[in-house]
Amino acid sequence: EAGVVQSPRYKIIEKKQPVAFWCNPISGHNTLYWYLQNLGQGPELLIRYENEEAVDDSQLPKDRFSAERLKGVDSTLKIQPAELGDSAVYLCASSLDRAAYNEQFFGPGTRLTVL
Amino acid sequence: GENVEQHPSTLSVQEGDSAVIKCTYSDSASNYFPWYKQELGKRPQLIIDIRSNVGEKKDQRIAVTLNKTAKHFSLHITETQPEDSAVYFCAASMFGDTGFQKLVFGTGTRLLVSP
Repeated sequence: EAGVVQSPRYKIIEKKQPVAFWCNPISGHNTLYWYLQNLGQGPELLIRYENEEAVDDSQLPKDRFSAERLKGVDSTLKIQPAELGDSAVYLCASSLDRAAYNEQFFGPGTRLTVL
Repeated sequence: GENVEQHPSTLSVQEGDSAVIKCTYSDSASNYFPWYKQELGKRPQLIIDIRSNVGEKKDQRIAVTLNKTAKHFSLHITETQPEDSAVYFCAASMFGDTGFQKLVFGTGTRLLVSP
C-alpha cells in the first residue's frame, strides 16, 4: 500500500513568489493534516481536514496561506507571497478519522527554501 | 496553554546502553501520547503510543511510561543499536481553541548511538 505522497520534495523560490505543495493521503483516510516543521523543531499543525471540510485552521496564517481539499482526497497548500521566514519543511499526514488516537501517517515532506 | 516540553535535546549513548527521553505536558485533559522517530531527511514514523488509561506499554526494546498526576511521560530504549540513531518526538493530544483534539509535538531529541 502506498503511503502519503507529497510533491515536490524540494522547492527553492525567491521571496514574494507564490508556491504550492500537493499531498495525496493514504486511500480511505478521511482526515488530512498539514504541518510546518522548522529546523530542530517538532511539527506544528497548520490545518486539518475532515473529508473536504477544514475543521481546524486556527494556526494557518490566512493572509498569505491557503489550502483546499476539493474532493476530500488530495490537498494543496499554497503560500502567496512567500517570505524568508517561510523556509521550512511542510509535512502532510493522514489518518483514518479524526480520533486523536488514530495513527497519523506522514508524507516525506516538501522542503521549502525562500531566498 | 498548549505546551509539550521534551528533554534532553541531544543524547549520546554507547551501543548496548539504555536511553531515556522525557516529556511533560500542560493539558490535564490530554489522553493520547505517541512517540515518533524521524531519521535524517525522512518522514516521522510512529514507534509506540500510550493512552491515559494505561501506565506503561512495552514493545520489544521500546517502552513508554505515563504519570498522569505529574503530567509527564517517558520513552525508554534498551540495548540501543546504531540504527536507533534518529530524532525522537513526543506528542500529546490537546484540545485547541476550536474544540477539536490535535497533537502537540515536543521539540525533539537527537539520539546518537555510537558503535
